[in-house]
Amino acid sequence: AQTVTQSQPEMSVQEAETVTLSCTYDTSESDYYLFWYKQPPSRQMILVIRQEAYKQQNATENRFSVNFQKAAKSFSLKISDSQLGDAAMYFCAYRSIMNYGGSQGNLIFGKGTKLSVKP
Amino acid sequence: DGGITQSPKYLFRKEGQNVTLSCEQNLNHDAMYWYRQDPGQGLRLIYYSQIVNDFQKGDIAEGYSVSREKKESFPLTVTSAQKNPTAFYLCASSQGAGQPQHFGDGTRLSIL
Repeated sequence: AQTVTQSQPEMSVQEAETVTLSCTYDTSESDYYLFWYKQPPSRQMILVIRQEAYKQQNATENRFSVNFQKAAKSFSLKISDSQLGDAAMYFCAYRSIMNYGGSQGNLIFGKGTKLSVKP
Repeated sequence: DGGITQSPKYLFRKEGQNVTLSCEQNLNHDAMYWYRQDPGQGLRLIYYSQIVNDFQKGDIAEGYSVSREKKESFPLTVTSAQKNPTAFYLCASSQGAGQPQHFGDGTRLSIL
């Protein structure tokens, strides 16, 4: 079974600085999807970025980018020019493309990293 | 606007009572999901449905039940068999394995 590990329960960054959140995963599959979700205090889950495992190019969305290391099974999120609104819980998630008993599309989440942004 | 609507936002349950959480989507997504979120636990999958009239148990289905009679709706019932129901519940939907899941705003369930 696949697992997702976020080893940093809490992180802190100064406003306008850069921070990197770590995520590792375990899988025997060769093709899959990886996601980062943001959960602000309002508790809404917001998609930040998506990466297809078959693509070597790292995904980027404005100030958010990933460092995808497939061989190392690592999927870190870099936030540049941090803003106060970036303060939230960040969840890394894995999604298989295989269909085990109808499970295709199910997300496996890490336990999250709480990011604080200092003014 | 298309999206997922969960109701109510807050719900209280008495001992021995069943309660139902509503989840409606107008995104025309085939798949829908229910998650439970506890502090320090991340999100855990309760039930999921890939198509109307079909659903599967997730990792923590005991004490919960669902139905999927319409594509738009996937209600979750927390039964009296669920001994520790206090949590934040999130509903999600998606279209296709490669597409991200879209989430509702959640329902916070507490015990009276």
